[in-house]
Amino acid sequence: AQTVTQSQPEMSVQEAETVTLSCTYDTSESDYYLFWYKQPPSRQMILVIRQEAYKQQNATENRFSVNFQKAAKSFSLKISDSQLGDAAMYFCAYRPRYTGTASKLTFGTGTRLQVTL
Amino acid sequence: DSGVTQTPKHLITATGQRVTLRCSPRSGDLSVYWYQQSLDQGLQFLIQYYNGEERAKGNILERFSAQQFPDLHSELNLSSLELGDSALYFCASSAGTIDNSPLHFGNGTRLTVT
Repeated sequence: AQTVTQSQPEMSVQEAETVTLSCTYDTSESDYYLFWYKQPPSRQMILVIRQEAYKQQNATENRFSVNFQKAAKSFSLKISDSQLGDAAMYFCAYRPRYTGTASKLTFGTGTRLQVTL
Repeated sequence: DSGVTQTPKHLITATGQRVTLRCSPRSGDLSVYWYQQSLDQGLQFLIQYYNGEERAKGNILERFSAQQFPDLHSELNLSSLELGDSALYFCASSAGTIDNSPLHFGNGTRLTVT
């Protein structure tokens, strides 16, 4: 079974600084997708960024980028120039690419990010 | 706006009761997923439907059931409710089962069992 581990329950960053959230996963699959979702106080789940395992290039979306290390099964999220609006719970998620019958997301337990002035 | 609509937003009910949560997926999406998020915890997968058929089951209790209708909307039925069932229930949709389209989540239904 696939598992996703986020070892940092809480992180804090000063406004305009950079922070990295960690995520590791366990899978026997060779082809899969990885995602970071953001959940602000409104509780809505918002897709931040996604990475396809067969792509070596790390995904980037504006101030958000990932460091994908396939051999190490590591998928960290870097937030640059942090803003107050980045304060939220961040979830790492895994999804196999070819499952035949299902393609559910498996989530980590989340990292709560605080942004301070 | 994700395009996924969940109703109601809030639901307060008593133990032993039965409730139905409703989800309308994004236009064109065939897959619907249900997740449960208990207080300050991650999302736990409950069940997935694809074009009306059940495709995957997670840790869904026997007291819970779901279905997806011909118009692709889905309902999650929770019966014999217990205090521990209080949680945020999310519905998500995607285009299919074997694709790289991400899941898009609704805003959730907050269930409080008293």
